[in-house]
Amino acid sequence: GEDVEQSLFLSVREGDSSVINCTYTDSSSTYLYWYKQEPGAGLQLLTYIFSNMDMKQDQRLTVLLNKKDKHLSLRIADTQTGDSAIYFCAESIQADYKLSFGAGTTVTVRA
Amino acid sequence: DTGVSQNPRHKITKRGQNVTFRCDPISEHNRLYWYRQTLGQGPEFLTYFQNEAQLEKSRLLSDRFSAERPKGSFSTLEIQRTEQGDSAMYLCASSLGSGSAEAFFGQGTRLTVV
Repeated sequence: GEDVEQSLFLSVREGDSSVINCTYTDSSSTYLYWYKQEPGAGLQLLTYIFSNMDMKQDQRLTVLLNKKDKHLSLRIADTQTGDSAIYFCAESIQADYKLSFGAGTTVTVRA
Repeated sequence: DTGVSQNPRHKITKRGQNVTFRCDPISEHNRLYWYRQTLGQGPEFLTYFQNEAQLEKSRLLSDRFSAERPKGSFSTLEIQRTEQGDSAMYLCASSLGSGSAEAFFGQGTRLTVV
């Protein structure tokens, strides 16, 4: 949506790191999420971060949050062909509540 | 439990017909959400339930759309008098409802109105 913005495309070489960026406008955003969508499929929750944190790491995934600039990023280490998908950034003002999504970043991993 | 289940996966209908989709959330999840996703866009919120109570509806949910969750378990989304602009992926999600930050999505129902 218009409240969450992402770059549309990212091409990365297999084995390199991918960094996907997102900006949001709502200063009340409390939870920020990254979801992955493969062709024809639903959304898979990758990770989320609470707004009082600035970093979260989960295996190959690192989320960085700059609350002052309302900027969120997802770093995927050692990118694999299976990481090719659309990645959505989303925000919510509280737990168990609706999410506002960006338009998605299409990540293409090339050999 | 295998996650959020949606049926059918695909639906092709003629303009003007009514369609109904079903969503079975993860068991013990009290909150259930419906979203719509059009090509090249992120999902947009439509409505959500806490058990059987519908707590919020988006302005996107026109009078032709109705959602129910009669027993607080599965939910249905009905579209009456479908229009070509209703063609989209309809996604259902559920969350625990006790302060959980995690919402899990189903595979979606892809609707094509011809």
